[in-house]
Amino acid sequence: DTEVTQTPKHLVMGMTNKKSLKCEQHMGHRAMYWYKQKAKKPPELMFVYSYEKLSINESVPSRFSPECPNSSLLNLHLHALQPEDSALYLCASSQPPQGREQYFGPGTRLTVT
Amino acid sequence: KNEVEQSPQNLTAQEGEFITINCSYSVGISALHWLQQHPGGGIVSLFMLSSGKKKHGRLIATINIQEKHSSLHITASHPRDSAVYICAVISSGSRLTFGEGTQLTVNP
Repeated sequence: DTEVTQTPKHLVMGMTNKKSLKCEQHMGHRAMYWYKQKAKKPPELMFVYSYEKLSINESVPSRFSPECPNSSLLNLHLHALQPEDSALYLCASSQPPQGREQYFGPGTRLTVT
Repeated sequence: KNEVEQSPQNLTAQEGEFITINCSYSVGISALHWLQQHPGGGIVSLFMLSSGKKKHGRLIATINIQEKHSSLHITASHPRDSAVYICAVISSGSRLTFGEGTQLTVNP
């Protein structure tokens, strides 16, 4: 199984809502990543978890809160987002260190109204 | 100047044509990825290479570490190859640095 799954596929939320994005992999990978991608731009790294511990936070605003409850799951909790946070959010996984081949999920298309 | 430069930014081809997408980088790397992204979002890793050449079906990727350059070739292109192709390098700190992508359109 070389699949990374993400739910939901699409999400529309208001600026006062709280929602969560979920990512799951069963490849035994111990590094997991959140990326943000705006239209016609490459992905931007947000967070990296290695062995279930947060190892990289790319100065992401606190309205984005990552969580890695176990080695297969990665969540991104969203609260009080702004319209400019509308983007495609991609999850990826690999074996540590980060330089190994990454497997990407299909992404969650987020719209903040 | 971006650390990873791709060319061309946009490429339109006729079905059956041989296609080349180029990637140049300015930093020391441990490996380079070629990624494919279809409309709708999901990214697929096509190749990861650190030297020489790899082939998978109609796709061929080469890298020249001394010249800091990689190419992705598609032989006998097909409309289903239409996608954005992204070059990404793994440099110090093991971070992925992405190029801006090449939008490929293959017309029937």
